[in-house]
Amino acid sequence: DTGVSQNPRHKITKRGQNVTFRCDPISEHNRLYWYRQTLGQGPEFLTYFQNEAQLEKSRLLSDRFSAERPKGSFSTLEIQRTEQGDSAMYLCASSLVLRSNEQFFGPGTRLTVL
Amino acid sequence: AQTVTQSQPEMSVQEAETVTLSCTYDTSESDYYLFWYKQPPSRQMILVIRQEAYKQQNATENRFSVNFQKAAKSFSLKISDSQLGDAAMYFCACDGGATNKLIFGTGTLLAVQP
Repeated sequence: DTGVSQNPRHKITKRGQNVTFRCDPISEHNRLYWYRQTLGQGPEFLTYFQNEAQLEKSRLLSDRFSAERPKGSFSTLEIQRTEQGDSAMYLCASSLVLRSNEQFFGPGTRLTVL
Repeated sequence: AQTVTQSQPEMSVQEAETVTLSCTYDTSESDYYLFWYKQPPSRQMILVIRQEAYKQQNATENRFSVNFQKAAKSFSLKISDSQLGDAAMYFCACDGGATNKLIFGTGTLLAVQP
């Protein structure tokens, strides 16, 4: 296992289109997080899964955003009717349920909405 | 709500010298962890060092060490014997609560001059 992977690495789309990103966590990790990072800012928390259950969603996650983690393995993040303000780097991280909680990050998916 | 503040948008250090990056935080949690993550250009975020809030002893990892002042809610990172490969964006982060989601600062861009 080589770490957290994300696909695609880059996505360019037109405003109004739907996009879906995939995250494959480290195989034994049962916690999975999505963050969004805009230029010049630190990552901001979007949502969190423990196994297949989505346990927390940020207020940043509007109704156009949906995330799933079927069977507690990979996760998808879908954005419907994209807007230019959705342009950002979307980061996925995974960890074990340990209090020491080191989150391992993927390389991110950079979304550009034209 | 938790907040993390990094007041130095950019720092520069000569190779082999020492540099300190500042971070302050605010949290209502009694049990929390603090982290420094490194994000090299176009590469994924990696953990540099971690501090458990209930431990008084400052964490160290080779050339990296922290100065953790719990009462002042300060968590600075010291990089000794700076190397060209240390050039990156450094993010301070705090976690807390059941989900262990990370709250990040805005980052400090470190340049290392040869």
